[in-house]
Amino acid sequence: AQKVTQAQTEISVVEKEDVTLDCVYETRDTTYYLFWYKQPPSGELVFLIRRNSFDEQNEISGRYSWNFQKSTSSFNFTITASQVVDSAVYFCALSEAGNNNDMRFGAGTRLTVKP
Amino acid sequence: KAGVTQTPRYLIKTRGQQVTLSCSPISGHRSVSWYQQTPGQGLQFLFEYFSETQRNKGNFPGRFSGRQFSNSRSEMNVSTLELGDSALYLCASTVSGSSGNTIYFGEGSWLTVV
Repeated sequence: AQKVTQAQTEISVVEKEDVTLDCVYETRDTTYYLFWYKQPPSGELVFLIRRNSFDEQNEISGRYSWNFQKSTSSFNFTITASQVVDSAVYFCALSEAGNNNDMRFGAGTRLTVKP
Repeated sequence: KAGVTQTPRYLIKTRGQQVTLSCSPISGHRSVSWYQQTPGQGLQFLFEYFSETQRNKGNFPGRFSGRQFSNSRSEMNVSTLELGDSALYLCASTVSGSSGNTIYFGEGSWLTVV
């Protein structure tokens, strides 16, 4: 069975601080996909990144970076120099190969960035 | 390129009624999935349609149904509404690549059952 755990329910930081959102997953498949989405108050889930299980390279996109470690089944997300506009709920999700659109989401982490 | 479009954005229904939600995927995307988001259960997969056929289904009662049209637009229907059906219903459009699928979501339809 697939499962995603985001242990941090809420995080509050002050602008310009760095913040890391944790994600731990469980799956029996050897081929799977991991995602991060951002959900602002409007409700839309904004796609941030997809990582394939066979690609453990970390990725950086502007102030965002992702650390994928299969050894610890983790896919953590770091925002550097946070901004107020980063305030949102962030979801980590997992889908298994062959079942791609049946994604399992974590419970989400609500990030508040204060000015 | 237009994103995933969902209508209506907000609606209020009474217990026992039925509701139909609509989703237009990103142009060229043939797969549409539906998710329910509630404070208690979080985000849960409802079903997926591809080329007008249901390809995958989550663990929801038969009151939840959907369909997809030849232009890839999709509708989902909930019959005999219950208070617990109050939720944000999100539609997702999928683009397939050589290294896997990327799934884009719409803004959702906020359903309140009173």
